[in-house]
Amino acid sequence: KAGVTQTPRYLIKTRGQQVTLSCSPISGHRSVSWYQQTPGQGLQFLFEYFSETQRNKGNFPGRFSGRQFSNSRSEMNVSTLELGDSALYLCASSLVRGAAGEETQYFGPGTRLLVL
Amino acid sequence: AQSVAQPEDQVNVAEGNPLTVKCTYSVSGNPYLFWYVQYPNRGLQFLLKYITGDNLVKGSYGFEAEFNKSQTSFHLKKPSALVSDSALYFCAVRVGGSQGNLIFGKGTKLSVKP
Repeated sequence: KAGVTQTPRYLIKTRGQQVTLSCSPISGHRSVSWYQQTPGQGLQFLFEYFSETQRNKGNFPGRFSGRQFSNSRSEMNVSTLELGDSALYLCASSLVRGAAGEETQYFGPGTRLLVL
Repeated sequence: AQSVAQPEDQVNVAEGNPLTVKCTYSVSGNPYLFWYVQYPNRGLQFLLKYITGDNLVKGSYGFEAEFNKSQTSFHLKKPSALVSDSALYFCAVRVGGSQGNLIFGKGTKLSVKP
């Protein structure tokens, strides 16, 4: 079974631009979460989508947004890029069985974004 | 506030020796605890998890972790370290119930020398 895929793997943008990152979850997985990893702040939760609905959101400004499509693929968008947005953006998918079930999150390789 | 702490930024071990990477947590209710490993320029790989049941959890690549409720710890262990185990290790706790998001520790860099 193919793992979580993220595109692009590397991206260079300038301040003020916007960027869209894509994540394709493991087949059958319906939940997709996004995380930002930086040397200073470590791994921080951005948001989670399940069945095209945002279910959880981390403490990030409104410039960070996302969506999920009917095939469970997800995109995240960052508008008006700042230097501090330079980071590794990780996507994780999980198979949600139900309210009583806990599911492991499987991570993609990440998209490394550099803002100049 | 719910949190995870990894008190050591780096752990150095000689190949063949046992290794321990420490993790403590602070959560309300029953914790869902995880260990992930990150190799350079790679995403996170799942190692193991504790949900309930036996306090000793076995995972991938010969790793295991011991859940200690009284000490609120979830230390990662391996009986005999390999040079290839050198990587960044993250402890995480799921908050907000069984389907909440993950909160990660800062990570511990494990260095195994031949």
